[in-house]
Amino acid sequence: RKEVEQDPGPFNVPEGATVAFNCTYSNSASQSFFWYRQDCRKEPKLLMSVYSSGNEDGRFTAQLNRASQYISLLIRDSKLSDSATYLCVVNMYDYKLSFGAGTTVTVRA
Amino acid sequence: EPEVTQTPSHQVTQMGQEVILRCVPISNHLYFYWYRQILGQKVEFLVSFYNNEISEKSEIFDDQFSVERPDGSNFTLKIRSTKLEDSAMYFCASRPGAGGQETQYFGPGTRLLVL
Repeated sequence: RKEVEQDPGPFNVPEGATVAFNCTYSNSASQSFFWYRQDCRKEPKLLMSVYSSGNEDGRFTAQLNRASQYISLLIRDSKLSDSATYLCVVNMYDYKLSFGAGTTVTVRA
Repeated sequence: EPEVTQTPSHQVTQMGQEVILRCVPISNHLYFYWYRQILGQKVEFLVSFYNNEISEKSEIFDDQFSVERPDGSNFTLKIRSTKLEDSAMYFCASRPGAGGQETQYFGPGTRLLVL
């Protein structure tokens, strides 16, 4: 079983739409969780950390369900600039990050 | 804003040659990492480094790989005898490590092509 699994998409949405996707992780001992964003052929950039109570950063909302080992990301009011690959990232106690393969989002005008 | 830098941005080499990829982590960071991403695949952990020694390595990081912090600023990844399958984007990352800060900051990567 893969450590982190994501729906690859692609999600193709119009500007202004809401898009949501999720990932699952296999190791129940995982300690911290992140969403990174990766643009084509660029480095991963931290979008937001994910906290147990759920958290929001502007148009982005992340949720964590430890019981189901499930993480989600919701993007409201999509912008063209939100087009990217979103990486679900899980951190064990040793801070070795495990990446999902990414969910591709394309926002069209 | 401080950032991780990497050189070169691109490297082309012949199979069997040695390559050294260089990284300058953010200056007050204590933990350093190398990851790789083969084209079209996910980012994979290679090695973590703290206090001048390897703290963890993946099964990818075999005897052909080594890391070094030769001075107070650089962090290098050496591949002794490159193989075709080493072609990938190599990312360096660093983390403060103080005060429980977990976020790893990634450099722009070195694209390695082995011919």
